[in-house]
Amino acid sequence: QSALTQPASVSGSPGQSITISCTGTSSDVGGYNYVSWYQQHPGKAPKLMIYDVSKRPSGVSNRFSGSKSGNTASLTISGLQAEDEADYYCSSYTSSSSWVFGGGTKLTVL
Amino acid sequence: QVQLVQSGAEVKKPGASVKISCKASGDTFTSSYMHWVRQAPGQGLEWMGIINPSGGSTNYAQKFQGRVTMTRDTSTSTVYMELSSLTSEDTAVYYCASTGYSSSRKWFDPWGQGTLVTVSS
Repeated sequence: QSALTQPASVSGSPGQSITISCTGTSSDVGGYNYVSWYQQHPGKAPKLMIYDVSKRPSGVSNRFSGSKSGNTASLTISGLQAEDEADYYCSSYTSSSSWVFGGGTKLTVL
Repeated sequence: QVQLVQSGAEVKKPGASVKISCKASGDTFTSSYMHWVRQAPGQGLEWMGIINPSGGSTNYAQKFQGRVTMTRDTSTSTVYMELSSLTSEDTAVYYCASTGYSSSRKWFDPWGQGTLVTVSS
C-alpha cells in the first residue's frame, strides 16, 4: 500500500486560510468516507482533528474543516494562528482492511 | 475515554527483537481495536497493524508480515507489539492507538505517548 500524497510544506500568515491536500486512489481515499486528519507538534503524539472526511471531534476548533472530492481529501484551516504551526497527516482506511497515512505536511505560520 | 500508556524507551542491537507494551485504562479494552503506528526520525507515520483484543485476531501491514507479532493480555488490559530481526531502519518512535469498539470507527483516538526504539550496534 503506497502512502497517500501530501505537499511537503505549506505556509500562511496569521488570519489567513490554508488548504492541505491528500491524494490517494479509489482503493482508499476515493473508495471510503474514512479519511481522518492528525496534527502533530514536535515530540508529541498525533492528535485527531478531523474524522470521516469532515467531522470534527469535540474540543477541536471550528477553524478546522475537511472535505473530499474523488480520490483527493483536503484539510482547511481558517484564521491561522501561531499555535497551528505543526505537521499534519491524513489517513485513510483501505480496501485491504488496512490503513495508510500521507507523508505529512509541515505547516509554517509566517 | 480510554487512555493508553506505553512502556519505556529501548535500545537494541541489530538482529535482536523488541517487545513494547501499551496498557489501556477504562473498561472498554476488550472491545477496542488497537493499532501500532511507527514514525522514524524526521519521517511520517506508518501503519503497522491491528489487533482485536477481544478475540486476538490480527491484520499486519504487508511490509511487516513475518517480522511483527501483536498480542494482548485481557487480564491486564495490555497489548504488545514484538518486532524481530531489527535493523537500523527500525529506529523509530512506536505508537499504539485505538479505533474504538465499533467496526465503523476508522479513526485513531486516543494515542499512546510513544516509545522510542533505537537500533544500534
